[in-house]
Amino acid sequence: QLQLQESGPGLVKPSETLSLTCTVSGGSISSSSYYWGWIRQPPGKGLEWIGSIYYSGSTYYNPSLKSRVTISVDTSKNQFSLKLSSVTAADTAVYYCARHPLAWDAFDIWGQGTMVTVSS
Amino acid sequence: EIVLTQSPGTLSLSPGERATLSCRASQSVSSSYLAWYQQKPGQAPRLLIYGASSRATGIPDRFSGSGSGTDFTLTISRLEPEDFAVYYCQQYGSSSLFTFGPGTKVDIK
Repeated sequence: QLQLQESGPGLVKPSETLSLTCTVSGGSISSSSYYWGWIRQPPGKGLEWIGSIYYSGSTYYNPSLKSRVTISVDTSKNQFSLKLSSVTAADTAVYYCARHPLAWDAFDIWGQGTMVTVSS
Repeated sequence: EIVLTQSPGTLSLSPGERATLSCRASQSVSSSYLAWYQQKPGQAPRLLIYGASSRATGIPDRFSGSGSGTDFTLTISRLEPEDFAVYYCQQYGSSSLFTFGPGTKVDIK
């Protein structure tokens, strides 16, 4: 059974770079049928898609975050990663990684999420 | 960017009742790219419906989706105690952009 698990620091200082990794287990990240994405949710608020990556390294990002976001993939480790630069308090959120099939562009398997707080 | 609006913001119902949730898009959305999720406190969202009307794996048949163009509906035919949660719609559209609606909370009356 495919599972996704986010990992990374729970506290990041303002102006620094937030870095998270999603480890995929129970299946291969190199499947040609799926993209892998990041979504975040500020406390008490709704969901915001950050960006997605294909196993080949092809990426697409939310235009509102594009200038600060880098998503990369390491197929040898079955992981993909998120870097968000120049963070502010507005980036405080639960960050989820998730899978989305190419066929229907919805997120069908999610990690449990990891809370990241931006504070000095 | 396509903006999704969900109504009502909160729906107060009793177990056994029917729930009808609305998702309206600012521009026409391809039915292939409209999805619904359920989220309970402290949990990740769970995919319920994709392609506007197809149930995801393991989703009970009391959940159904319908609609096209700019108006979509999620219906829960008979609310079970575990269905009280927040529901989000999501679309994938032009500019390769995913957007989510603000959510509808279904709570116990």
